[in-house]
Amino acid sequence: GAVVSQHPSWVICKSGTSVKIECRSLDFQATTMFWYRQFPKQSLMLMATSNEGSKATYEQGVEKDKFLINHASLTLSTLTVTSAHPEDSSFYICSAREARGRGETQYFGPGTRLLVL
Amino acid sequence: AQSVTQLDSHVSVSEGTPVLLRCNYSSSYSPSLFWYVQHPNKGLQLLLKYTSAATLVKGINGFEAEFKKSETSFHLTKPSAHMSDAAEYFCVVSLSGGYQKVTFGIGTKLQVIP
Repeated sequence: GAVVSQHPSWVICKSGTSVKIECRSLDFQATTMFWYRQFPKQSLMLMATSNEGSKATYEQGVEKDKFLINHASLTLSTLTVTSAHPEDSSFYICSAREARGRGETQYFGPGTRLLVL
Repeated sequence: AQSVTQLDSHVSVSEGTPVLLRCNYSSSYSPSLFWYVQHPNKGLQLLLKYTSAATLVKGINGFEAEFKKSETSFHLTKPSAHMSDAAEYFCVVSLSGGYQKVTFGIGTKLQVIP
């Protein structure tokens, strides 16, 4: 149980294009989903927290107009990197916390590797 | 406020010998503590978690960790390392109850020598 999927797992795009990454909780309902970014050989940095049906809460220094987050349902959150540039190339990981039952545990997706040319 | 410190960025052990990955935390309130493992080019997998129940927590793949409040530590151990244990390990702290924002340690890379 507690499986989180991400799609796509890999994406290569040209500079200036927008990329959408999906995060789904497959066997539970997630009231809260988190988006992280991980640079090579570094830890995860929380970008934003999204709650179903409300606006995402962004961490300091994260541009909300560049990283659009939508949490439209209890099983789906999307991250859209708008007008991507090479410096946006990174490993993006989402996690989901169950509405009830599993308490504080976050379940992580497998990650999406973005390369902007 | 909360923080987590992983004391070693890199640990190297021989196959079959014990593993110790150290983690210290600070938290204003009762924390929940987790260890996650990340294999190369993979997502994070939950190894084990402490959420104010038993202080000795057993996880998957033979790993365990002991919550020591007096030492503010949550070290990860395994009696005998296996080659497949080579990965990056993250210690994570979050506050118990209500909205929990998690804080990640910088990670410890475990190398297992055959």
